Amino acid sequence: EDQVTQSPEALRLQEGESSSLNCSYTVSGLRGLFWYRQDPGKGPEFLFTLYSAGEEKEKERLKATLTKKESFLHITAPKPEDSATYLCARISNTGKLIFGQGTTLQVKP
Amino acid sequence: NAGVTQTPKFRVLKTGQSMTLLCAQDMNHEYMYWYRQDPGMGLRLIHYSVGEGTTAKGEVPDGYNVSRLKKQNFLLGLESAAPSQTSVYFCASRLLGTGPSYEQYFGPGTRLTVT
Repeated sequence: EDQVTQSPEALRLQEGESSSLNCSYTVSGLRGLFWYRQDPGKGPEFLFTLYSAGEEKEKERLKATLTKKESFLHITAPKPEDSATYLCARISNTGKLIFGQGTTLQVKP
Repeated sequence: NAGVTQTPKFRVLKTGQSMTLLCAQDMNHEYMYWYRQDPGMGLRLIHYSVGEGTTAKGEVPDGYNVSRLKKQNFLLGLESAAPSQTSVYFCASRLLGTGPSYEQYFGPGTRLTVT
């Protein structure tokens, strides 16, 4: 069964305290993995797409990496405005997105 | 470009009432999707469409119907609302194709409460 699991469910950081979010998936033959950011009361906003193990992408304080079994979203020196829920999703064999439950990040000043 | 828009933003229904949620996109996308998002459940696909005049069931289609009469619009209908349909509903769209085309663009959501 296609599954995407994110951990932790919630993460509290102090401003400047770097950390990583995890996204793991159960099916081999990954066709692509997405990271989205979702602010309260809004729709998910696209961040990154990763296609193959070893691939990395960066945007400001965020860096996404991909292995054969999981993806990490590294947050370096976070700021309060990085507070949001981060969703990952993989592309299923039928081309649809399968989402994880998300990690809610709170960055305190 | 407005991107993906959803109407209404909020709605309260009584059990048994019906309503239609409207999704519109101005990006000429072929694919359109309806999701629901519930605490602890993540985003779950209700129905989707791969082009004008076509629809297909997703993961949780029961109690919902959809129509795609025009390429830019995707309607989600609840014929007889139930409290279990209390949720936040998101519409999304994407281009036809693979690779970067898999990226979905989301609307702002509709918060529906069924009492």
